[in-house]
Parts: sequence; structure tokens; C-alpha cells
Amino acid sequence: GEDVEQSLFLSVREGDSSVINCTYTDSSSTYLYWYKQEPGAGLQLLTYIFSNMDMKQDQRLTVLLNKKDKHLSLRIADTQTGDSAIYFCANQRGGGNKLTFGTGTQLKVEL
Amino acid sequence: NAGVTQTPKFQVLKTGQSMTLQCAQDMNHEYMSWYRQDPGMGLRLIHYSVGAGITDQGEVPNGYNVSRSTTEDFPLRLLSAAPSQTSVYFCASSSRDRGQNEAFFGQGTRLTVV
Repeated sequence: GEDVEQSLFLSVREGDSSVINCTYTDSSSTYLYWYKQEPGAGLQLLTYIFSNMDMKQDQRLTVLLNKKDKHLSLRIADTQTGDSAIYFCANQRGGGNKLTFGTGTQLKVEL
Repeated sequence: NAGVTQTPKFQVLKTGQSMTLQCAQDMNHEYMSWYRQDPGMGLRLIHYSVGAGITDQGEVPNGYNVSRSTTEDFPLRLLSAAPSQTSVYFCASSSRDRGQNEAFFGQGTRLTVV
């Protein structure tokens, strides 16, 4: 099947920028998403990007998409302790909002 | 607005037992889906539905049944629970409107099969 891959862990200091990377194999992806999951909670949509865009900025979040390399990244500026969570990238193929998720990246923000 | 509501939040089953995980949404969304989350594997799609009366299989459908008799409800049935079905289950819903791309997730059901 189609794969979405992420590194498992990232540790940053408070105030630094965090960059979480994701690669995917399905070139027919229409939308690519970033979700955040806090302990014991469901998934919260952070942002998404349409496949014909290469960048999207939303306050502290910047999403970069390189379609040629099938690489997606999420940059969090001025990372805070409240940003500590698991971050999932996901892609959507076709209709029905069927999503393929990556394994998730655990972000730890240290003081 | 309650959003997506899943019940129960926690459940322990014995091998071979059956049960139904409930999912309800009050946003009049056409699309609903079930995922399971396992450590190191992200979320995997079990079954999904694009509207009342229509369901289809996802990536890992074996051992699970679904039905969609109303727009609001999308229950997931385990007919004969196995330890391999120990997982956290998430239900999600979203709109068919192309301008509404967010999938809303429930809080999850943590299932343990012993």
C-alpha cells in the first residue's frame, strides 16, 4: 500500500523552531494534513495544504510541500511547552476523506 | 455542538466476546470512518462510509463490521474479539463539501482484549 513516513522523535528547546518532516509515496495525493495529538486525546487538525501549493503559513506554523520529492514539512516557530505532542502527517487520496497517516513524530519541548 | 462522540471510552473484552463501538456526529457530515491506532504504526483505516447506506473497507477491515443506517451514526462491530484487536479506536467525520477539508475526530475508545 501507499506509505507515509515520519521520524519518531524530535526534541527542541523552548523558543527554538521545530521542523517535523514527512515523506509520502502516493503522487496522486490531493490534500496533505498535519494533525496534533495530545496525551489521551483525539486528533486535532493543525493545518493542511492542497497539492498544487508549495507553501502555507498560519501564524506560527509553516507548511512546505515539495511535490517532486514527495516531501512535506511542518515548521513551528517559537516552540512552546504546550506544543509537546505527537504530530501526524496524513495524505488524502480520492474522495470520502480517506486518510493515510504517518507513524507520528513525538515532539518534546525542553525548558 | 458535541462534534464526534464515541462510547465507551474504555473497554476490556475476553477473547471471543463481541461488542459494538458507538460513534455519533451532530454536524450532518456525509463522510464517516473508523481508524485504529497502534504504537509505531500511526492510524490505519478500518472502514469508511460516504453516506447513509454506503460502506466500504479500508486498509485493515478483517474482524470488523460496520453499517450506516443514519447520517449521524456509524457503529463498529467486533464479532469475535482477538488480542490483536487491542488498540485505540478513533471515529472521524467530515463534510462532502470540497471547501471543508477538516476531518473531526472523536476522543477515542481504548480497547483491551485479554
